[in-house]
Amino acid sequence: DAEITQSPRHKITETGRQVTLACHQTWNHNNMFWYRQDLGHGLRLIHYSYGVQDTNKGEVSDGYSVSRSNTEDLPLTLESAASSQTSVYFCASSESGSRHNEQFFGPGTRLTVL
Amino acid sequence: GNSVTQMEGPVTLSEEAFLTINCTYTATGYPSLFWYVQYPGEGLQLLLKATKADDKGSNKGFEATYRKETTSFHLEKGSVQVSDSAVYFCALARSSGSARQLTFGSGTQLTVLP
Repeated sequence: DAEITQSPRHKITETGRQVTLACHQTWNHNNMFWYRQDLGHGLRLIHYSYGVQDTNKGEVSDGYSVSRSNTEDLPLTLESAASSQTSVYFCASSESGSRHNEQFFGPGTRLTVL
Repeated sequence: GNSVTQMEGPVTLSEEAFLTINCTYTATGYPSLFWYVQYPGEGLQLLLKATKADDKGSNKGFEATYRKETTSFHLEKGSVQVSDSAVYFCALARSSGSARQLTFGSGTQLTVLP
């Protein structure tokens, strides 16, 4: 069965370190998204991609970057981790072609920045 | 800009009680509307959706009707079960521009007691 996976599931790091969160999907979806989930804010869009070599900034992109070298993967990098980036991070993917298309979510990565 | 407003939680109900979670939105044009559910420790999954005015989405006993005149998409269930305990998110996909992005509400925590 097709799926979307994230790794690691839990990560503790220190302020100033570079951190990369992995996202891998086997749906063969063109669209991929990164969100962060914080209490009282729901999910907020960090970055998104509509295909290989395409990346776009979302609502809360400062301090984050992504790259899309193939269809399956969209890694999220925190260049210099800050305590404000402690959060739960979700990756999602969807088919292209329609705004009605369901987004499929990974299980999340809980990141703690000390 | 686009926004989604959900009723504040948490909501606690007894088993077999009637559930309503209010959701209103602000958007230009004709967005698609979604309810996603997040069970403990998991990612979000689509519960139901409606793509045009007066459409009713339904799944697992949950229903929501797209009301353009009141810009609402309230979630209802006639008889909740303990297994419905989760966080519920209302979301919209706008009708133009970067149409594949979702804007989420802040989420409503539901706890159903036996």
